[in-house]
Amino acid sequence: EIVLTQSPGTLSLSPGESATLSCRASESISSTYLAWYQQKPGQPPRLLIFGASTRATGIPDRFSGSGSGTDFTLTISRLEPGDFAVYYCQQYGSSPLYTFGQGTRLEIK
Amino acid sequence: EVQLVESGGGLVKPGGSLRLSCAASGFSFSSYTMQWVRQAPGKGLEWVSSISSTSSYIYYTDSGKGRFTISRDNAKNSLYLQMNSLRAEDTAVYFCARLFEYYKTMDVWGQGTTVTVSS
Repeated sequence: EIVLTQSPGTLSLSPGESATLSCRASESISSTYLAWYQQKPGQPPRLLIFGASTRATGIPDRFSGSGSGTDFTLTISRLEPGDFAVYYCQQYGSSPLYTFGQGTRLEIK
Repeated sequence: EVQLVESGGGLVKPGGSLRLSCAASGFSFSSYTMQWVRQAPGKGLEWVSSISSTSSYIYYTDSGKGRFTISRDNAKNSLYLQMNSLRAEDTAVYFCARLFEYYKTMDVWGQGTTVTVSS
C-alpha cells in the first residue's frame, strides 16, 4: 500500500503570503495520478490540480502543482481569505485503489 | 449544471444495514466510472468503492469487502452503496464522486450524506 504523507500538518500564514504544501509518497508514483483537493468546513472536496501540475477548470493560477517520483508540492501564492482550508493530495495505485494524504490545514495567522 | 446528490444516510444500530443513493445530472452518467469516498468526523478522506461505467469493474477498500455492495442504474442516472453489518467505525459522511478517467482523479463531488452507526 502506498502511503501519502502530507506536511506540515498545519500551516499558519497571513493573507498575501505564499504557502508551500508537501505530499510525500512511500514509493514512487506516476505524476499522472497525483491530484490535490481543497476542502472547506461542511463542503465536499474540490479538485484543484490533477496530473500533479494541471489546474482544474476555474482554478486560479495562484495555485500551482509540481513534483515527481515521491515528492509533490502544492504552492499557493498571494493567499486570499478563501484559500484557508484543508488540502489533500490523492494518488491512484493498486490496493487500495485510491489513497489520500492525511491533509494539511492552512489557517490564518 | 453537473450535479451529484446523495441520499439515504441516517442513524443505524451496529450490525444494521443502509442503502445510499447518488443521483447524477448534467452529464452523461453512463460514460463515467463512479466512486464512493467517506470522511469520518474530524478525519481525512477515505476511498470506499469504485464501479466502472458498465459495472464490469468493481473495487472495494479492504474494510468494505464482504459488507458493502456498489451498484448503478444507468437508465436512472443513479449510483448506490448497500452497506450491511455496519460498525461504529463506518460512521462518516459518504460522498459520491465522478472519476476523471485518464488522470484517475475525482472531478465532481456530491455534498455528502451522513451515516451514523450507534446503539
